[in-house]
Amino acid sequence: GAGVSQSPRYKVTKRGQDVTLRCDPISSHATLYWYQQALGQGPEFLTYFNYEAQPDKSGLPSDRFSAERPEGSISTLTIQRTEQRDSAMYRCASSLGLAGSYNEQFFGPGTRLTVL
Amino acid sequence: EDQVTQSPEALRLQEGESSSLNCSYTVSGLRGLFWYRQDPGKGPEFLFTLYSAGEEKEKERLKATLTKKESFLHITAPKPEDSATYLCAVQAGGAQKLVFGQGTRLTINP
Repeated sequence: GAGVSQSPRYKVTKRGQDVTLRCDPISSHATLYWYQQALGQGPEFLTYFNYEAQPDKSGLPSDRFSAERPEGSISTLTIQRTEQRDSAMYRCASSLGLAGSYNEQFFGPGTRLTVL
Repeated sequence: EDQVTQSPEALRLQEGESSSLNCSYTVSGLRGLFWYRQDPGKGPEFLFTLYSAGEEKEKERLKATLTKKESFLHITAPKPEDSATYLCAVQAGGAQKLVFGQGTRLTINP
């Protein structure tokens, strides 16, 4: 596609519910990233994929957070048993190269998650 | 631990008034330093990548420079449409993730 797309753009859920966010990266981009961005702050790394492999998930805040990219293209981020502190903007980015390459990351518009 | 600190947090300028934004960093083996622009309600938009001290890159009214400890984003004769939050991020050797600063919110008044 022309750019990184994310859906839904907005998600409101009740505490304790599970949510799944979707990211569709730029086609041909090997690497896909998930970030969490609080209001007035820069994005914070959650995890990334090289195709379907997930080399680093060190930024995931707890085991309630998981991500997958089973076919090396579209990715989902799932938050189980949501808590109010999970409310944030979740951003996806993709880049052309694999680990070791100097490639800029292109960001999507984000999903605004609100947990009531 | 890799860290990025941006200053000032907010900057208000008159149209045509040039200035600079600062990004100080500590990182174990810099692979690259990135500048992004973020407009309200949108995702960060890539501006520049700098790889080594002494490197400079320009785009329209923006010029980014890099030393071993900090980067500057110089804005020459800014226009109101340059108003945005400017984010700096570093990529450390051996890592893919970007570590971002908190951003500088720039406002250009006509």
